[in-house]
Amino acid sequence: QKEVEQNSGPLSVPEGAIASLNCTYSDRVSQSFFWYRQYSGKSPELIMSIYSNGDKEDGRFTAQLNKASQYVSLLIRDSQPSDSATYLCAVKRAGNNRKLIWGLGTSLAVNP
Amino acid sequence: EPEVTQTPSHQVTQMGQEVILRCVPISNHLYFYWYRQILGQKVEFLVSFYNNEISEKSEIFDDQFSVERPDGSNFTLKIRSTKLEDSAMYFCASSEWGEEHNEQFFGPGTRLTVL
Repeated sequence: QKEVEQNSGPLSVPEGAIASLNCTYSDRVSQSFFWYRQYSGKSPELIMSIYSNGDKEDGRFTAQLNKASQYVSLLIRDSQPSDSATYLCAVKRAGNNRKLIWGLGTSLAVNP
Repeated sequence: EPEVTQTPSHQVTQMGQEVILRCVPISNHLYFYWYRQILGQKVEFLVSFYNNEISEKSEIFDDQFSVERPDGSNFTLKIRSTKLEDSAMYFCASSEWGEEHNEQFFGPGTRLTVL
């Protein structure tokens, strides 16, 4: 079983719609969860972090965490063409080690 | 806004040559990292560094790899004898000390091409 799994997509949504991106993880002791955006040929850019069950909102972005189901999601409201990118889910285990374990990413295309 | 910087942006080298990739982390950050991403694949952790020593490394980070903080600002990754399979984007990241959940901020990356 892969440690962090994401649907590779592409996910295609019309401009103004809600884009929903999902991520599951296998290690129950995972502690911290991050969504990064990566444009083609560029580096990962941190969008959201979430640590507790429930929702966390930041502007047009909402992260949702369900530790019992080992599931984390990212909602993007009012999607814009500039949101077209690959969205990477990254997970940090509990404890002193700080490495991030990454999913392959979901490619999002927002169509004008 | 403070950011992580990396040089060079692109490095081309011959197989067997040594390369040094350079990074300047965010100034008040004390944890530093190197990750790599082979084209079309996942981002992979290589090494983390704190207080002038390696705190964790992956299986990828073998004896051909080393890291150093030669002064108060730079953080380097050295690959002693490059292989074709070392061709990848190499990202440096940094995070604050004591921040439990460890938000990591990435530099723009160095694209390493081994011929």
